[in-house]
Amino acid sequence: EVQLVESGGGLVKPGGSLRLSCAASGFPFSSYSMNWIRQTPEKGLEWLSYINWNSGDTRYADSVRGRFTISRDNARGSLYLQMNSLRADDSALYYCARDKGSAGNSDFWGQGTLVTVSS
Amino acid sequence: DAQMTQSPSTLSASVGDSITISCRASHNIHNWLAWYQQKPGKAPKLLIYLASNLESGVPSRFGGSGSGTEFSLTISSLQPDDFATYYCHQYNNFPFTFGPGTKVD
Repeated sequence: EVQLVESGGGLVKPGGSLRLSCAASGFPFSSYSMNWIRQTPEKGLEWLSYINWNSGDTRYADSVRGRFTISRDNARGSLYLQMNSLRADDSALYYCARDKGSAGNSDFWGQGTLVTVSS
Repeated sequence: DAQMTQSPSTLSASVGDSITISCRASHNIHNWLAWYQQKPGKAPKLLIYLASNLESGVPSRFGGSGSGTEFSLTISSLQPDDFATYYCHQYNNFPFTFGPGTKVD
């Protein structure tokens, strides 16, 4: 059974940092590109970042470029999102998602981890 | 960036109805479009990819069409399990973008 389990969310002060993790199982993780996507009631779904199978290609949304870093450890079956210089508008439910075939065609999503940025 | 719009934002329907949700891209995305269904407290679920391809395990009452800038999702004979919010998503170019959603109630 395919599983993606996010962790690492929580309450952080503005300007702080968090590292999100996504543990993958039930499929050959090293063969799939992955994404981070977040959701808020106000802004809806927002794609944040992409990483290809071997970390050779990474992409970011303008809203997080320079502050967030995506990475993966294929040996551990894990995806990460290092988030620095957090702002109140980064508060959201953060999902990791697996791509099927084409980049961005996310066929399976985790259940999300909640990040709240507040003083 | 390709901006995505959806209409309507809310759609009131009954079991057995056939409904259509529209999605428009701000520029040509060819057929690089997916449709997702999301229920409260759950992650989005892929229904349609490449504009018209039904994801494995998705009932055949779901159908997608369109290319370029105009797309639609049709649900024939709405079932109780289909009341949810539906999102279109373009993956033609980075940054990938999502529509604002259509709530079917």
